[in-house]
Amino acid sequence: AQSVTQLDSHVSVSEGTPVLLRCNYSSSYSPSLFWYVQHPNKGLQLLLKYTSAATLVKGINGFEAEFKKSETSFHLTKPSAHMSDAAEYFCVLSGGYNKLIFGAGTRLAVHP
Amino acid sequence: NAGVTQTPKFQVLKTGQSMTLQCAQDMNHEYMSWYRQDPGMGLRLIHYSVGAGITDQGEVPNGYNVSRSTTEDFPLRLLSAAPSQTSVYFCASSYSAGPTGELFFGEGSRLTVL
Repeated sequence: AQSVTQLDSHVSVSEGTPVLLRCNYSSSYSPSLFWYVQHPNKGLQLLLKYTSAATLVKGINGFEAEFKKSETSFHLTKPSAHMSDAAEYFCVLSGGYNKLIFGAGTRLAVHP
Repeated sequence: NAGVTQTPKFQVLKTGQSMTLQCAQDMNHEYMSWYRQDPGMGLRLIHYSVGAGITDQGEVPNGYNVSRSTTEDFPLRLLSAAPSQTSVYFCASSYSAGPTGELFFGEGSRLTVL
């Protein structure tokens, strides 16, 4: 069965400190994986995607994620958090044609 | 460039009432879809379409109908609203219906069923 697990429902960091949002997946074949961000009262926006090319993927706004097949993980990181990064983040697995599997989301809070 | 436009942004219904959530995109995307977002559950696919005249069911289709008469529009109809349909609904489109396509989302329609 294919699934996505976001290991933290809430993460709180101070401005200027690193961000780590954790995502594990389960897939019977080589997956495509995405991270989307949702700011309050907005739709989702693509941050980055992995599609079996380079395992370290760079996205917008300084975010990056590393695909680790041995650990079935696709964690999202950023070296230095900014107040504008406060949002909800979704890890998404492509489950095949026309099927995306969303994680439950991680709400990131950034404190001054 | 408007992207994906959803109307209305907010709606309150009584149980048993019907309504239509509108979705329009101006990017000439063939693929369009409807999701519902509930706390702690991520997004779940309701219905999708890979082109005008073609629709199919997603993960949670019961209680909803869709049609796709044009490339631009993909309305979602609630036939007889129930409190369990209280949710935030997102329309999304993509230039690709395959596994690598980026989805472009509208800003959502918040529905409350009393």
